[in-house]
Amino acid sequence: AQSVTQLDSHVSVSEGTPVLLRCNYSSSYSPSLFWYVQHPNKGLQLLLKYTSAATLVKGINGFEAEFKKSETSFHLTKPSAHMSDAAEYFCVVSSPGNTGKLIFGQGTTLQVKP
Amino acid sequence: DTEVTQTPKHLVMGMTNKKSLKCEQHMGHRAMYWYKQKAKKPPELMFVYSYEKLSINESVPSRFSPECPNSSLLNLHLHALQPEDSALYLCASSLPRGTSDPANEKLFFGSGTQLSVL
Repeated sequence: AQSVTQLDSHVSVSEGTPVLLRCNYSSSYSPSLFWYVQHPNKGLQLLLKYTSAATLVKGINGFEAEFKKSETSFHLTKPSAHMSDAAEYFCVVSSPGNTGKLIFGQGTTLQVKP
Repeated sequence: DTEVTQTPKHLVMGMTNKKSLKCEQHMGHRAMYWYKQKAKKPPELMFVYSYEKLSINESVPSRFSPECPNSSLLNLHLHALQPEDSALYLCASSLPRGTSDPANEKLFFGSGTQLSVL
């Protein structure tokens, strides 16, 4: 069975410092992995997607994530946080087969301090 | 047009009311989804439509009734809801799984309808 664990429920950084949001996954097959961001009272927006083409995935707004099979991790990073990055971040794995189902982590709240 | 539009943005209803949530996309996507999201929680899948046919119902109570009149529209009909049904209801769309397109599986979400049941 597929599962996703986001290791931190809350991360606080200062503006201009690096961001690291951690995600571990469990999958019996080669997964598709995603990071979505949700700003307050908004829908979710896809930041980036891993589908085995390259282990380092670049996304929007300067975010990137590295797929590490040996560590079953897919951590999200950004070199320099901006105030507008404050939001909820979800690590997501797709379920196998043709179902269209996504399995969400519990989310990490990113706080960015001035 | 890369938007999923949901109306209304906010809805307050009593437990005896009947209301509908609407979702529209013009990206040519043939898979559409309803998710329910409680505060500080991840979205929970409710229904999936693929090519206008219901493909997944995640054991959702019958007081929620989805409808997909055409490939651009998705409705969620609400009747006799309970206060615990209060949540943010999100619509999403995508190319269906199996489509040989790099954008496959990428979900586009609407901004949601914030529902309060009194």
